[in-house]
Amino acid sequence: EPEVTQTPSHQVTQMGQEVILRCVPISNHLYFYWYRQILGQKVEFLVSFYNNEISEKSEIFDDQFSVERPDGSNFTLKIRSTKLEDSAMYFCASSVGTSGVNRFFGPGTRLTVL
Amino acid sequence: AQSVTQPDIHITVSEGASLELRCNYSYGATPYLFWYVQSPGQGLQLLLKYFSGDTLVQGIKGFEAEFKRSQSSFNLRKPSVHWSDAAEYFCAVGAQTSGSRLTFGEGTQLTVNP
Repeated sequence: EPEVTQTPSHQVTQMGQEVILRCVPISNHLYFYWYRQILGQKVEFLVSFYNNEISEKSEIFDDQFSVERPDGSNFTLKIRSTKLEDSAMYFCASSVGTSGVNRFFGPGTRLTVL
Repeated sequence: AQSVTQPDIHITVSEGASLELRCNYSYGATPYLFWYVQSPGQGLQLLLKYFSGDTLVQGIKGFEAEFKRSQSSFNLRKPSVHWSDAAEYFCAVGAQTSGSRLTFGEGTQLTVNP
């Protein structure tokens, strides 16, 4: 069964450093998403991406965040200057096209900012 | 704005007992509704979804959920719980537009006693 993969599974970084979280969505999917889950809190939407541009973003997704699909398979989330409060589990997801149908989540990357 | 409430933070049941996890949503139009399960250290796995039609939807692992528009609810049920069902369960709502964000509830942690 196809699945969304994410690397690394755990990333530790110093405050102020840049991090790039990587995702490989399911190959025939057209919509890509990033969500995050701060420990003990709910899963929160960050951004959705379609046709090589952001289609929607939340208030969390400020100028320190960016997303990119650098090639035909990868989808990345960059945090330019990490803060302590960026520590969270980051989930990538992808869907075929229509809203919600077949939206698959990856296993997540745990980001720890020290 | 869409929102989801899961009133029960933690539920404990005995193996073999029935289970009902509550979910109430707020949304201005007909929503798409989802239940996801998250095992420790794992990603989010889709249990079931409601788009339209029959208000009782069947999912994987023997779960079902019933959409009640009049009560703005989408409760998850299972007639007989197995120890492997111990996990965190998230209800989510999304708009019926392509690539829309999902809004998640706080989650309900399920503990299963032998």
